[in-house]
Amino acid sequence: DQQVKQNSPSLSVQEGRISILNCDYTNSMFDYFLWYKKYPAEGPTFLISISSIKDKNEDGRFTVFLNKSAKHLSLHIVPSQPGDSAVYFCAASGKTGANNLFFGTGTRLTVIP
Amino acid sequence: DVKVTQSSRYLVKRTGEKVFLECVQDMDHENMFWYRQDPGLGLRLIYFSYDVKMKEKGDIPEGYSVSREKKERFSLILESASTNQTSMYLCASIPGGGLAGNTIYFGEGSWLTVV
Repeated sequence: DQQVKQNSPSLSVQEGRISILNCDYTNSMFDYFLWYKKYPAEGPTFLISISSIKDKNEDGRFTVFLNKSAKHLSLHIVPSQPGDSAVYFCAASGKTGANNLFFGTGTRLTVIP
Repeated sequence: DVKVTQSSRYLVKRTGEKVFLECVQDMDHENMFWYRQDPGLGLRLIYFSYDVKMKEKGDIPEGYSVSREKKERFSLILESASTNQTSMYLCASIPGGGLAGNTIYFGEGSWLTVV
């Protein structure tokens, strides 16, 4: 059963507008969350992370929000640029070691010029 | 910069063939992983290794084995390839100590087609 879910397989946004990518998880023991970006024919690259002691983390145009009570996190990209077009994966991990990193199914973001 | 290198980017193999996917990382990371990525299923963990000669099964180990004879190299082996193993395979590594404060570094991926 998928412990990390990205219910929107795709999202299209106009250049300059905000992109909001959503992720839900089921395991309340998860305490570290990451977003990865993946271009075609390349491996995923790390984008931004957040630990469960925070509810927000910003890095330039990218902000991740964590709502622990709702078991929900979101990635905001403002302003969206055509180069942001990629597949975005969220991932979650618990305290107990490196092996239990669970990935969502990904959301394909298309930023329209 | 951390570099994770997957030597084979695109392979086409026949059903029943033995397939080796090689991965090398240059940052002395203890932990290495093999994932496969399939449309609608995200990244699924096949095997991981936290030290030389150590290996642990991930979520979908059936049909696969691994080898870690040296710290920098982690090999994924398909003993008898089948068409349902057609996929993109991703190798990754992180330092010891787990994910907190670290991030996973991925290779560029190996596209395997089994015909």
